[in-house]
Amino acid sequence: NAGVTQTPKFRILKIGQSMTLQCAQDMNHNYMYWYRQDPGMGLKLIYYSVGAGITDKGEVPNGYNVSRSTTEDFPLRLELAAPSQTSVYFCASSEGGGLNEKLFFGSGTQLSVL
Amino acid sequence: GESVGLHLPTLSVQEGDNSIINCAYSNSASDYFIWYKQESGKGPQFIIDIRSNMDKRQGQRVTVLLNKTVKHLSLQIAATQPGDSAVYFCAENYNNAGNMLTFGGGTRLMVKP
Repeated sequence: NAGVTQTPKFRILKIGQSMTLQCAQDMNHNYMYWYRQDPGMGLKLIYYSVGAGITDKGEVPNGYNVSRSTTEDFPLRLELAAPSQTSVYFCASSEGGGLNEKLFFGSGTQLSVL
Repeated sequence: GESVGLHLPTLSVQEGDNSIINCAYSNSASDYFIWYKQESGKGPQFIIDIRSNMDKRQGQRVTVLLNKTVKHLSLQIAATQPGDSAVYFCAENYNNAGNMLTFGGGTRLMVKP
């Protein structure tokens, strides 16, 4: 059981380039999330999805887009990369959205924008 | 604004000793708290959680204490082992309509052999 899989693990972008961070889960979870983690900081929610076809903004959505065409996949798109988007990105999933649902995290994508 | 934070950025303990990691929160409406462990190069991993109607919850070698009066959360690790070396985050649930969490900045636990 792979859990939550993120690709790539590392990426360097030039300012203005675009890229898609991939996330897939094989646990049939309804909820999926994208977080970013800046050095020495806690995770901040970018976008989340409560099911296929539904996405919502989190705390820091500017500069990002997401889609959820299937239950398994939740890609994160950066259209015009900026240095402020240098961070580690974590995808997570949970079975439901209840108060005590446990989040399962991927191993992260380290992105540098130069 | 409302926030979750940690008192100490780094905690160094001797193997076999007990560890205590602290967290302060300011959102009095939060009613669910979680501790996560993040090892180097990995995503956060759930350790233990607690609802606001409890003041203590125990797991395997870990205990979470919640003091709502002073808005304080702590994680106690008994008989700390080298494998416990990691960054520990507390998080609170701020939106009961969905599973969205506010994370603290993290405390790095270093276990000395």
